[in-house]
Amino acid sequence: KAGVTQTPRYLIKTRGQQVTLSCSPISGHRSVSWYQQTPGQGLQFLFEYFSETQRNKGNFPGRFSGRQFSNSRSEMNVSTLELGDSALYLCASRKGLAGAQDTQYFGPGTRLTVL
Amino acid sequence: EDKVVQSPLSLVVHEGDTVTLNCSYEVTNFRSLLWYKQEKKAPTFLFMLTSSGIEKKSGRLSSILDKKELFSILNITATQTGDSAIYLCAVDDSNTGKLIFGQGTTLQVKP
Repeated sequence: KAGVTQTPRYLIKTRGQQVTLSCSPISGHRSVSWYQQTPGQGLQFLFEYFSETQRNKGNFPGRFSGRQFSNSRSEMNVSTLELGDSALYLCASRKGLAGAQDTQYFGPGTRLTVL
Repeated sequence: EDKVVQSPLSLVVHEGDTVTLNCSYEVTNFRSLLWYKQEKKAPTFLFMLTSSGIEKKSGRLSSILDKKELFSILNITATQTGDSAIYLCAVDDSNTGKLIFGQGTTLQVKP
């Protein structure tokens, strides 16, 4: 079974630009979560999507947004990039059924550098 | 505020040593505790623990959860250089569906 895939793997942008990252979950998984990883803050939750609906959101500004498509693939968008947005963005998928104790599996991440 | 704390933050050992990594948590809506290993890429899943006192084991790695004292340990016996990585502990919050991560323990195994 193929794992979680993310594209692109690396991205360099300048301040003020916007960026879109993509994530394809494991087949059969309907929940996709996004995390930001930085040396200073560690791994922090951005948001979770399930069946095309945002189910939960972390404590990030509105410049961070996402969506999920009917095939469970998800995209994350960051607008008006700031230097502090430089990070590894990780996507994780799981089956996501309510109340289930299922595991989140991570993709390889997108390394975003903002200059 | 919910939090997960790992200790030590870094550790240097020699091949063959046994290490114990610690994870304590204060999470209101605990669903499960997970351990991940992260090298220079995505975190890879090691264990998921939901019940107290039941040891999970995979080769030289093992982990146990104490829900009364709110902590977990990850043991690695007969360490190898390939065990060098960041080990992440996370608690799955049943209310929000998010993983709350600790800071990670950076393990370096020297030949």
